[in-house]
Amino acid sequence: EIVVTQSPATLSVSPGERATLSCRTSQNIDRNVAWYQQKPGQAPRLLTYAAATRPPGVPARFRGGGSGTEFTLTITSLQSEDFAVYYCQQYNNWPLHSFGQGTKVEIK
Amino acid sequence: QVQVVQSGAEVRKPGASVKISCKASGYTFSNYLFHWVRQAHGQGPEWLGFIDPSGGSTVYAEKFQGRLTLTRDTSTSTVYMELSYLSPDDTANYFCARARSSGWDSLLAYWGQGSLVTVSS
Repeated sequence: EIVVTQSPATLSVSPGERATLSCRTSQNIDRNVAWYQQKPGQAPRLLTYAAATRPPGVPARFRGGGSGTEFTLTITSLQSEDFAVYYCQQYNNWPLHSFGQGTKVEIK
Repeated sequence: QVQVVQSGAEVRKPGASVKISCKASGYTFSNYLFHWVRQAHGQGPEWLGFIDPSGGSTVYAEKFQGRLTLTRDTSTSTVYMELSYLSPDDTANYFCARARSSGWDSLLAYWGQGSLVTVSS
């Protein structure tokens, strides 16, 4: 089983600043990682996949990166609507996949 | 546009079963996998399994094998999740989510609104 570990648990950032979230996997998963955003009372929303590809409609300020076992999600200039919980998902060992425990991005 | 609508909240006693529905619209139902994910309060998502609506084949996470059943009704573009032998640890918000692309895809692009299942005596 591939374990997904996210850090930090909580990140306090001021609007307009950059936020960098980390995701580590227990095995090499190439670039098979996705990031999701979840706001209170809502379902998660797919932000990036294949480490760095954004689906249509996702703003360019969300930038995924990394490969192997270390991955990041950078939000280059935080907007008020970006304060949420972010989850990392690994999908390397089809059909199994797993999620991290999340990073909460809160207003500083 | 793609829409996914789930059935409402459920309350069950330990040992009982629950069945949740998930109705899709706005695309060709048979072309995309449907995954099921649950999320306990304050926790990360946990993948349960998926169903291929075209033929009905399923894959379940090992943890849920033997008590999870995924089915579909192509006439109504609806998928169903039934979880049996419930315990309080199964209390969670259960989501269905359509895969991003056709084929074998684990990326979850279109989500239902969630169905809260509470298991309590």
